[in-house]
Amino acid sequence: NAGVTQTPKFQVLKTGQSMTLQCAQDMNHEYMSWYRQDPGMGLRLIHYSVGAGITDQGEVPNGYNVSRSTTEDFPLRLLSAAPSQTSVYFCASSYGQGRGETQYFGPGTRLLVL
Amino acid sequence: AQSVTQLDSHVSVSEGTPVLLRCNYSSSYSPSLFWYVQHPNKGLQLLLKYTSAATLVKGINGFEAEFKKSETSFHLTKPSAHMSDAAEYFCVVTENRKAAGNKLTFGGGTRVLVKP
Repeated sequence: NAGVTQTPKFQVLKTGQSMTLQCAQDMNHEYMSWYRQDPGMGLRLIHYSVGAGITDQGEVPNGYNVSRSTTEDFPLRLLSAAPSQTSVYFCASSYGQGRGETQYFGPGTRLLVL
Repeated sequence: AQSVTQLDSHVSVSEGTPVLLRCNYSSSYSPSLFWYVQHPNKGLQLLLKYTSAATLVKGINGFEAEFKKSETSFHLTKPSAHMSDAAEYFCVVTENRKAAGNKLTFGGGTRVLVKP
């Protein structure tokens, strides 16, 4: 199986443009999440989902929307891109929310907003 | 609330010498702790994790970490560094309670340089 996949790998946007970052997993994982990575700050949680139809906000949700219509897919939408959203975005998934559940990360999407 | 502090942003070691990456955590609940590694322009790979069993945890590629509740620490060690260990390492905590979901809190990362 492919694990967690993300597209595109790299994207350049102009301020104000919108786009969707795609994330898919083929492991039948219930829990999926989006993180952004900025230098010196580790990864910070944007949004997460505990199952199809259920989403919630993380630490830095402003400027981002998510939905979860299927178990496999968890797209992240930027409605009006801003330079502050320049970052590397990682999608992750895990089977559930059990103690010490391992999360599996995708390869990342590098986003540059001009 | 939970937080993680990685005490060194950069560590430089010579090949064949020991590696020590320091991590302190704060958690209101009994936590699980992880170490992830990220090689340049790659995703994150799990090195090891502590859930609630043995406090000394062995991971992949010769790494191990010891959970010390009294010191709220989870330091990562390797007896002999290899050139392929050059990467960024993240200490991560999650609270084991349903209301918290499965949210991970990351430290700021430690970049490891291995000199020949």
